[in-house]
Amino acid sequence: KQEVTQIPAALSVPEGENLVLNCSFTDSAIYNLQWFRQDPGKGLTSLLLIQSSQREQTSGRLNASLDKSSGRSTLYIAASQPGDSATYLCALLSGSARQLTFGSGTQLTVLP
Amino acid sequence: DAGVIQSPRHEVTEMGQEVTLRCKPISGHDYLFWYRQTMMRGLELLIYFNNNVPIDDSGMPEDRFSAKMPNASFSTLKIQPSEPRDSAVYFCASSTGYNEQFFGPGTRLTVL
Repeated sequence: KQEVTQIPAALSVPEGENLVLNCSFTDSAIYNLQWFRQDPGKGLTSLLLIQSSQREQTSGRLNASLDKSSGRSTLYIAASQPGDSATYLCALLSGSARQLTFGSGTQLTVLP
Repeated sequence: DAGVIQSPRHEVTEMGQEVTLRCKPISGHDYLFWYRQTMMRGLELLIYFNNNVPIDDSGMPEDRFSAKMPNASFSTLKIQPSEPRDSAVYFCASSTGYNEQFFGPGTRLTVL
């Protein structure tokens, strides 16, 4: 059974700092990995999708990497802004049932 | 382009009552997923459909839960009878194939 871990659970940084969020998983037989953002009381917004055959994806100030051999993914946020404050979730599509398994998230606070 | 639409956004009901949550996926998407989010368990997949056919319902917690997808543009998740432990945020998501999933805003259910 796929297990997804996100560390740290919470992170607070000053505005302008570059930061990295971590996601680790136990089963490397994945189809894809997706990073989401969730604002308080809101739904999930898809940020980036990395297919199993890819190593990274970029969108604006965001860059996500995938290393299946080590069971890790990182989300890099450049020049963080207060508007980036949210909970960031990684999720992996894996297994014969092709289920999306979520980590518990990293709650990010960017201080002005 | 409208995203995934869910209704109602908030539902407060009393224990024992029937609850029906509704979802309209993104047009053209052939997969529809129902998730539940709680503080204790995070995000969990309840059931998913492909071309209106239920594929995996192993996440449905009990027989009190049922889901239908009568056509490509509508799905329901029903709880009968509801219990306080069913209180959670229920999300619907859709995708094309096993690709990027797009989530609706969620329905916050409170069972008193």
